[in-house]
Amino acid sequence: DGGITQSPKYLFRKEGQNVTLSCEQNLNHDAMYWYRQDPGQGLRLIYYSQIVNDFQKGDIAEGYSVSREKKESFPLTVTSAQKNPTAFYLCASSIDRITDTQYFGPGTRLTVL
Amino acid sequence: AQSVTQLDSQVPVFEEAPVELRCNYSSSVSVYLFWYVQYPNQGLQLLLKYLSGSTLVKGINGFEAEFNKSQTSFHLRKPSVHISDTAEYFCAVRLTSGSARQLTFGSGTQLTVLP
Repeated sequence: DGGITQSPKYLFRKEGQNVTLSCEQNLNHDAMYWYRQDPGQGLRLIYYSQIVNDFQKGDIAEGYSVSREKKESFPLTVTSAQKNPTAFYLCASSIDRITDTQYFGPGTRLTVL
Repeated sequence: AQSVTQLDSQVPVFEEAPVELRCNYSSSVSVYLFWYVQYPNQGLQLLLKYLSGSTLVKGINGFEAEFNKSQTSFHLRKPSVHISDTAEYFCAVRLTSGSARQLTFGSGTQLTVLP
């Protein structure tokens, strides 16, 4: 059963701690993306990766880091430098280099206490 | 840079009534256009997309959208809604050329279908 998985679905962390969100896809997609969603603001791009071992900053990369060591995996680390990390985080992937139709995972809701 | 405006943040409608969710975009070059739906605490699901050709695009769940280049709009419509259509809907655009691979999303429209 192909798709994009994100784990965990809910995550709680104390302020000042780094936390890593998992994103895995078995769709053989080249490109992967991380978005942050806040109420009333739509989705904002954090990072994206077009190929293994390469990634680019999106619009709100500060306080986040990523790695792309394997085609199927694109973990996101929310560092203590991110001033307001509580949000819903969505991972997506695409294989279509022209239209870039993106397919999304179920999301991880991060709450920093 | 491109931008997307979803004119209504909330749209309440009675079951079996028609609905239109409005989306306008701003871009100096041609774009691809997308509509996504998001159910509570879930990811986004692609409803439909306009790439080229016919300006009327049909998607899943009985939704359709019409691309209007002169008005830079891509409104989403459904002739008769169901309770299960209650969700948030996002319009998104991407430039057809250039190396940037970013989708730009609107802020979303919450559709609430009332019994």
